[in-house]
Amino acid sequence: GDSVTQMEGPVTLSEEAFLTINCTYTATGYPSLFWYVQYPGEGLQLLLKATKADDKGSNKGFEATYRKETTSFHLEKGSVQVSDSAVYFCALSLYNFNKFYFGSGTKLNVKP
Amino acid sequence: GAGVSQSPSNKVTEKGKDVELRCDPISGHTALYWYRQSLGQGLEFLIYFQGNSAPDKSGLPSDRFSAERTGGSVSTLTIQRTQQEDSAVYLCASSSGRNSPLHFGNGTRLTVT
Repeated sequence: GDSVTQMEGPVTLSEEAFLTINCTYTATGYPSLFWYVQYPGEGLQLLLKATKADDKGSNKGFEATYRKETTSFHLEKGSVQVSDSAVYFCALSLYNFNKFYFGSGTKLNVKP
Repeated sequence: GAGVSQSPSNKVTEKGKDVELRCDPISGHTALYWYRQSLGQGLEFLIYFQGNSAPDKSGLPSDRFSAERTGGSVSTLTIQRTQQEDSAVYLCASSSGRNSPLHFGNGTRLTVT
């Protein structure tokens, strides 16, 4: 079935370190891919998205490239800040069904 | 503009009681979703409404759970005879259509004592 798998956390990094959070997917059609972020005490917010293969989504210094050949959508940031500490969710939606599938979330802790 | 609004933000109830959770989606959004997020867990899909189509109820965990959406706008999630394992944050989200991102409310934190 359709699903999203992302790396387990928590991930702990020092400020200015490079971040990668892995996300892979299984889908029967041609999904759109998303990263959502949930800051402490807040609701989920859309971070970035990509709607077709080879698209790169970017926002707030985060990037993710839709790789159809590896069915992946890994989240990266070159230099994390303490304020990036949050839980990150990878998600996909299928056009025909408009149903969203979420990964289990990866908690990121950034130490000063 | 206004985002997705959920009420109440917190609800404490006794085991066995019924609860109703409300969601006001973004105006004009045709799709509405309910998810459940247990402590430290990911998002569990519950139910999905799209326009006037029959809802996708495939994620509802038991027949104690039901939801309706009146007039294509406001939605109510009802949990009957609540159990302690129902304690979680219930999230509502809406979107404007296919391939459009979800916009989430801040959730209702339900605690069953």
